Amino acid sequence: QQQVKQSPQSLIVQKGGISIINCAYENTAFDYFPWYQQFPGKGPALLIAIRPDVSEKKEGRFTISFNKSAKQFSLHIMDSQPGDSATYFCAASISNAGNMLTFGGGTRLMVKP
Amino acid sequence: GAVVSQHPSWVICKSGTSVKIECRSLDFQATTMFWYRQFPKQSLMLMATSNEGSKATYEQGVEKDKFLINHASLTLSTLTVTSAHPEDSSFYICSAGTSGETQYFGPGTRLLVL
Repeated sequence: QQQVKQSPQSLIVQKGGISIINCAYENTAFDYFPWYQQFPGKGPALLIAIRPDVSEKKEGRFTISFNKSAKQFSLHIMDSQPGDSATYFCAASISNAGNMLTFGGGTRLMVKP
Repeated sequence: GAVVSQHPSWVICKSGTSVKIECRSLDFQATTMFWYRQFPKQSLMLMATSNEGSKATYEQGVEKDKFLINHASLTLSTLTVTSAHPEDSSFYICSAGTSGETQYFGPGTRLLVL
């Protein structure tokens, strides 16, 4: 089944804390896992992405951890800032199938000052 | 790089009129463009996928005669909401992708049908 489950739906973190968002997928054919950040009234922006040949990818304060056997991946935001307050979507796609994305339900992150 | 624009950013129209939304990839050629609809506090719902020069593929439940999609070139796709009604009011987002790459999203178009 083409489905990606994302949790939690909402998350409140204090400034400087670590925000963790989790996603789980069913289809083992997925081979590309991007995370998108969306601010209110704006389109989603690609944040970071990973392929299943690596278990972790880090870009600045953002890290994706990938567990292929568990079919799970997560986004960690280190030293969370109020400017990180947004909705985050995980997604998955199959590269040779037109790059159609299957999105998770989204997580609304609020970072309190 | 990988910039996608949408025009207009917001539109208000009367019920029964048609509205056209443009999606352009500004600095790359998009083999595929996607149109999404997003309701408040919800995830993106894929409406259709379009490839340059061919007919769009609509998702189940999306009326192809109501939501007309044209992908005239590798940098331009348009979505026309025909005979719009208040229930069509939503946030419409396009994205563009190239073979082997992810999708890059436009800023979205907010449609309000009165």
